[in-house]
Amino acid sequence: GAGVSQTPSNKVTEKGKYVELRCDPISGHTALYWYRQSLGQGPEFLIYFQGTGAADDSGLPNDRFFAVRPEGSVSTLKIQRTERGDSAVYLCASSSGTETQYFGPGTRLLVL
Amino acid sequence: AQSVAQPEDQVNVAEGNPLTVKCTYSVSGNPYLFWYVQYPNRGLQFLLKYITGDNLVKGSYGFEAEFNKSQTSFHLKKPSALVSDSALYFCAVIEGTYKYIFGTGTRLKVLA
Repeated sequence: GAGVSQTPSNKVTEKGKYVELRCDPISGHTALYWYRQSLGQGPEFLIYFQGTGAADDSGLPNDRFFAVRPEGSVSTLKIQRTERGDSAVYLCASSSGTETQYFGPGTRLLVL
Repeated sequence: AQSVAQPEDQVNVAEGNPLTVKCTYSVSGNPYLFWYVQYPNRGLQFLLKYITGDNLVKGSYGFEAEFNKSQTSFHLKKPSALVSDSALYFCAVIEGTYKYIFGTGTRLKVLA
């Protein structure tokens, strides 16, 4: 009965570097979501996977952001050429097809 | 577009007193509304949701929320606050069938 897990919990990188953030959803959950939470704000939608495919990536801010879910379970959010404005907490959530999404603890990304 | 507003950045309440955290919504159609709680360095934890039916929804940890269509509100309540309830609370509405739109959050501080 493990919940959603995310690694790493914290990531510090330098401007211009590439980072990968990993999400392990609840076992059996077919839907997976990524959100970004900036300081003092509520989470904002980035992308939604149903199975292996990205059903909605309309929240990705630009083409430096990309996410995959090759086997329909674990997902990786990839950020190229990081910028200081990418600093935020990246949250992953999963659901079993109902309206309720279950969130992981997040990855806190700091771009120096 | 769907939206929610949390008019209070912070709410202070004495332990043992009733608490209310306010949320108003703006949606087209019938709203699906949620409350989540966020503790430091932890993800969002689901408290309760309103989809349809009874306007008073009961959730985890003794919390409840009242859906009021005429006032477009979905306030979170608890009859007797605990110090351990101190956290950041988010109201959310679903846009479409899966995209959560979150409010900016309300910090609840329960004073011993």
